[in-house]
Amino acid sequence: EPEVTQTPSHQVTQMGQEVILRCVPISNHLYFYWYRQILGQKVEFLVSFYNNEISEKSEIFDDQFSVERPDGSNFTLKIRSTKLEDSAMYFCASTRSGGSYNEQFFGPGTRLTVL
Amino acid sequence: AQSVTQLDSHVSVSEGTPVLLRCNYSSSYSPSLFWYVQHPNKGLQLLLKYTSAATLVKGINGFEAEFKKSETSFHLTKPSAHMSDAAEYFCVVSLNRDDKIIFGKGTRLHILP
Repeated sequence: EPEVTQTPSHQVTQMGQEVILRCVPISNHLYFYWYRQILGQKVEFLVSFYNNEISEKSEIFDDQFSVERPDGSNFTLKIRSTKLEDSAMYFCASTRSGGSYNEQFFGPGTRLTVL
Repeated sequence: AQSVTQLDSHVSVSEGTPVLLRCNYSSSYSPSLFWYVQHPNKGLQLLLKYTSAATLVKGINGFEAEFKKSETSFHLTKPSAHMSDAAEYFCVVSLNRDDKIIFGKGTRLHILP
């Protein structure tokens, strides 16, 4: 069964460094998402992406964040200069059709630790 | 404003006994509602969803949930817990007008032998 994959599973970085989190969505999916979950808190929407552009973003997704689909398979989240408060689990998701009433398929997450 | 409240952060039940995970929502629109499960080191997996059809929704692994508009609830139940049900469960509401979905804080289900 096809699934969303994410690499790495755990990333440790120093404050101020750039990180890139990678996701491979399900191959025939067209809509892509990033979420984060700070330890002990809710899973929060960051951004949605369709047709090579951001379709929606939350207030969390500031200028330090960017997303890209550099080729036909990868979907990346870049944090330009990490802060301590960026430490969280980051989930990628994809879906074939847009609209939040459709099931989103989630990856296993990348745990980011900023020291 | 839309929100989701999962009333219990942890629930413990004995194997073979019923499971009840509670979820209440607040939405200005007719919502779609989902339950996702996360096993350790795995992605979030859809258990079931409600999208304005039947109010009693059956999902995978014997789980079901009932949408009760008067109570703004969407509680998840299972008649008989299995050890493999031990996981984190998330109730999710969608606004049905954009791409956003909103998660509850999650309920960790523990199954006692």
